[in-house]
Amino acid sequence: EPEVTQTPSHQVTQMGQEVILRCVPISNHLYFYWYRQILGQKVEFLVSFYNNEISEKSEIFDDQFSVERPDGSNFTLKIRSTKLEDSAMYFCASKTGANTGELFFGEGSRLTVL
Amino acid sequence: KQEVTQIPAALSVPEGENLVLNCSFTDSAIYNLQWFRQDPGKGLTSLLLIQSSQREQTSGRLNASLDKSSGRSTLYIAASQPGDSATYLCPGAGNNRKLIWGLGTSLAVNP
Repeated sequence: EPEVTQTPSHQVTQMGQEVILRCVPISNHLYFYWYRQILGQKVEFLVSFYNNEISEKSEIFDDQFSVERPDGSNFTLKIRSTKLEDSAMYFCASKTGANTGELFFGEGSRLTVL
Repeated sequence: KQEVTQIPAALSVPEGENLVLNCSFTDSAIYNLQWFRQDPGKGLTSLLLIQSSQREQTSGRLNASLDKSSGRSTLYIAASQPGDSATYLCPGAGNNRKLIWGLGTSLAVNP
């Protein structure tokens, strides 16, 4: 069964360092998303991506964050100059269409900022 | 502002019981709704998607319904098993298609 894959599963970094989280969405999906979940809190939307550009972003997704689809398969989230409060589980998700279709999530990348 | 409330917040039951998990939205204008389960420290596994034209979906022992007039959804789990233990989430999308998440229902099914 097709699945969304994310790497790394866990990354520990020092405050101020840059982090890149990688995702491989399901191959025939066209809409890609990043969400995050701080421990014990709700899942929060970060950004949606379609047709090689950001279609929507939340207030959380400030200049510290960026997304890229560098090739036909990978979808990356870059966090520049990480802060302690960036420690969270980051989930990538994809779906076939904007208004229809099931949203599939990866297993997540746990980011710990020290 | 759209918010999701999931009741109960936590539930512990013996194996074999039939369960109902509830989800309600402050704004009843729900376009579609998807139920997920999340195991501790893991990703979100899709269980059922109720599309805009639908009111109900079934998969195995799971049945989810959506009442758009009241903005409420229920997930019915028949004959619960210890493997059903997880947190259940019901994000709904309004007309802006943005998913709104609650804190989930933490379910423990005891052998």
